[in-house]
Amino acid sequence: AQSVTQPDIHITVSEGASLELRCNYSYGATPYLFWYVQSPGQGLQLLLKYFSGDTLVQGIKGFEAEFKRSQSSFNLRKPSVHWSDAAEYFCAVGALLAGTASKLTFGTGTRLQVTL
Amino acid sequence: DAGITQSPRHKVTETGTPVTLRCHQTENHRYMYWYRQDPGHGLRLIHYSYGVKDTDKGEVSDGYSVSRSKTEDFLLTLESATSSQTSVYFCAIRRTGAQGGPYEQYFGPGTRLTVT
Repeated sequence: AQSVTQPDIHITVSEGASLELRCNYSYGATPYLFWYVQSPGQGLQLLLKYFSGDTLVQGIKGFEAEFKRSQSSFNLRKPSVHWSDAAEYFCAVGALLAGTASKLTFGTGTRLQVTL
Repeated sequence: DAGITQSPRHKVTETGTPVTLRCHQTENHRYMYWYRQDPGHGLRLIHYSYGVKDTDKGEVSDGYSVSRSKTEDFLLTLESATSSQTSVYFCAIRRTGAQGGPYEQYFGPGTRLTVT
């Protein structure tokens, strides 16, 4: 069965510093991978996705992620964090259900705090 | 914006009472999902629908039922609410034909349910 591990529950960075959020996945086939962001009291917003091709993918808000098959990782990065990036970040892997249905399996999330 | 609304946005109810949450979409998507979000668990799939009157269980379906009598509405019912069902509930749709293949999902704003 597929699974996603986000080893860091909480990360604090200073505004302007670089950021890397870790994500490791387990999936038998070629994975479809996603990062979502959730601001307090809000729904989840899709940041970026990977399904094939270039292993470095660009997303919204200046985020990028790199797929490394050998390490089963899909880490999220940002060169310079802004205070507005404070939120919770979720990594997810797509998996097939019955027929043509599918689902996302999520990690437990990483809460990012940004200090000024 | 995937045109997803959820109602109510907040609800407090007593143990043993029935509760129905509504998800409404405006873009005629075939696939709809209900997830619950709990600290330390990320998002977990409750039920999903792959068409009108076509639904199936997810990984945490006990105590929940769903119905989909028309494309735009997906209802989640707690027949007899328990304190363990206190959670934030998210509805999602899957955009077929999107670059994310069969997995890309977009989420509603969520419903915070408290069972006392």
